[in-house]
Amino acid sequence: GAVVSQHPSRVICKSGTSVKIECRSLDFQATTMFWYRQFPKKSLMLMATSNEGSKATYEQGVEKDKFLINHASLTLSTLTVTSAHPEDSSFYICSAADFSGGAHEQFFGPGTRLTVL
Amino acid sequence: GEDVEQSLFLSVREGDSSVINCTYTDSSSTYLYWYKQEPGAGLQLLTYIFSNMDMKQDQRLTVLLNKKDKHLSLRIADTQTGDSAIYFCAEISLRSNDYKLSFGAGTTVTVRA
Repeated sequence: GAVVSQHPSRVICKSGTSVKIECRSLDFQATTMFWYRQFPKKSLMLMATSNEGSKATYEQGVEKDKFLINHASLTLSTLTVTSAHPEDSSFYICSAADFSGGAHEQFFGPGTRLTVL
Repeated sequence: GEDVEQSLFLSVREGDSSVINCTYTDSSSTYLYWYKQEPGAGLQLLTYIFSNMDMKQDQRLTVLLNKKDKHLSLRIADTQTGDSAIYFCAEISLRSNDYKLSFGAGTTVTVRA
């Protein structure tokens, strides 16, 4: 299957700082990347959908000025949590897909554990 | 999003079969998926089924789809300790053209010796 990586895998930061998380598709070009947030023992909550070269589409209730998404190339999307606060602590997971040609599968990264002190 | 529901916990003895159930509400679902998540890790796509199929088998995994009842199940034969994980059912409707997955809450499977 296709491989998606995330960096860093774990980050601890002070309240008020910004944190950037990278999501890379390693062996395919991703037309679309998705960013999810997962709370402990909970399901995944979709935050935004990102298509290469265009602005991300955010889900209702997700602050686009707080969670900045950039999808600059077909293999890289970044999520920046700006002015992070303890309530932003969570497990952030990206997925990547190439929907061209009729494919439908999304491939998930290993996740990034963010802890805001 | 559309509703996808799963039972939260399943305990199974090593070597037995596990059956994880899922129900969904979207009658236009195109694909239904089973993902596995181990502690601290991302989601691994185990298998999927197209909505016009009733069954799909892949080694130890058997997926059954009852489209009339909107019921999906995943059977794991000869369950091993390495199968302990959270299993997510998910569906997508290509009719909506946004390719968004709707996930269930996840079933925590515990395999006991």
